[in-house]
Amino acid sequence: AQKITQTQPGMFVQEKEAVTLDCTYDTSDQSYGLFWYKQPSSGEMIFLIYQGSYDEQNATEGRYSLNFQKARKSANLVISASQLGDSAMYFCAMQEYGNKLVFGAGTILRVKS
Amino acid sequence: DAMVIQNPRYQVTQFGKPVTLSCSQTLNHNVMYWYQQKSSQAPKLLFHYYDKDFNNEADTPDNFQSRRPNTSFCFLDIRSPGLGDAAMYLCATSRDAQGTDTQYFGPGTRLTVL
Repeated sequence: AQKITQTQPGMFVQEKEAVTLDCTYDTSDQSYGLFWYKQPSSGEMIFLIYQGSYDEQNATEGRYSLNFQKARKSANLVISASQLGDSAMYFCAMQEYGNKLVFGAGTILRVKS
Repeated sequence: DAMVIQNPRYQVTQFGKPVTLSCSQTLNHNVMYWYQQKSSQAPKLLFHYYDKDFNNEADTPDNFQSRRPNTSFCFLDIRSPGLGDAAMYLCATSRDAQGTDTQYFGPGTRLTVL
């Protein structure tokens, strides 16, 4: 069965610094996708970045990068040059082929000025 | 811009009074999902449509129903809302249902039950 673990309930980061949000997953499938979503206090779930299990390169999207370590089953999100607008809940999620999207418990990020 | 739209953004209903939430998409995606999200929790999948095929999660209460009259629209009906149904309801779409298909979410409808 799919399982996603986010061990950091909350994180603080100073504005303009980088921050890493941890995510580990468990699956016996070879084919799966890993996703990160941002949810501000408004409630909208915003897609940030995707990593496929067969992708050899780490995914990057602007200030977001995904540190994918397949052997360790980790998919950490790195946000560079943090901005005040990055303050939000962040969810890591995984989807096995043909299965539903499973979310972790989330990490609340607060950016300090 | 292609997007997922939910109406209304805020809905207040009375205990036991039926309510319908609406979702539309301009992405022309095959799959539409409904999630329930309670405060400080991860979203919980209620059901999804793959085209016209309805897929209900085993633990979704019978009180929750859904309709998809066409590709663009999907509705969530709560037949007799209870206080425990107060939550954020998120609609999402994806091109397909494989592990590589990103789900794109709407802004959500926040439901209050009085």
